[in-house]
Amino acid sequence: NAGVTQTPKFQVLKTGQSMTLQCAQDMNHEYMSWYRQDPGMGLRLIHYSVGAGITDQGEVPNGYNVSRSTTEDFPLRLLSAAPSQTSVYFCASKEGAWGTEAFFGQGTRLTVV
Amino acid sequence: AQTVTQSQPEMSVQEAETVTLSCTYDTSESDYYLFWYKQPPSRQMILVIRQEAYKQQNATENRFSVNFQKAAKSFSLKISDSQLGDAAMYFCAYRSDFSGTYKYIFGTGTRLKVLA
Repeated sequence: NAGVTQTPKFQVLKTGQSMTLQCAQDMNHEYMSWYRQDPGMGLRLIHYSVGAGITDQGEVPNGYNVSRSTTEDFPLRLLSAAPSQTSVYFCASKEGAWGTEAFFGQGTRLTVV
Repeated sequence: AQTVTQSQPEMSVQEAETVTLSCTYDTSESDYYLFWYKQPPSRQMILVIRQEAYKQQNATENRFSVNFQKAAKSFSLKISDSQLGDAAMYFCAYRSDFSGTYKYIFGTGTRLKVLA
């Protein structure tokens, strides 16, 4: 059971480039989300999804797009990377509305130069 | 809006001693969950312990226990018999108990150093 898998683990982008951070879970969880972690600020919610075809914005959604075409996958897209998006990104999943615990991927460290 | 505050950016403890990490939160809800997550240098977020707000009994998991004071909106983590492997960043988190709510709110974290 792999849990939540994020790829890549590290990435360096130039300003203006685009890329997609991948997230996949094999636990058949309905809920998936993306967080960014910055020094001194904890984890902040970017976007989340309560099921295939349903997404919504979190606390810091600007500059990011998401889609949820399958239960398993929840990619995060940066259309035009900016230095302010340098951060560690975490994907998390949770079992349905009453599931308590969130399971996290190992994170992606993204640097935008 | 709910908030979570961790006022200790860094703490140190001697190996085998006990340390308490503080967390306070603000909410108008009566039903919710509280969590402590551990983040070692590997970056992996690991659930340490969770507490349901409707339960009066404090949660315990081996050497980890919480002091949950609902009226004071306080949720501290006590680590007993500290080990070198406990060194990590610790995050306190809040989640509402309403159906369909998925948003976790995290504190800014406390870095725990364990001294040999």
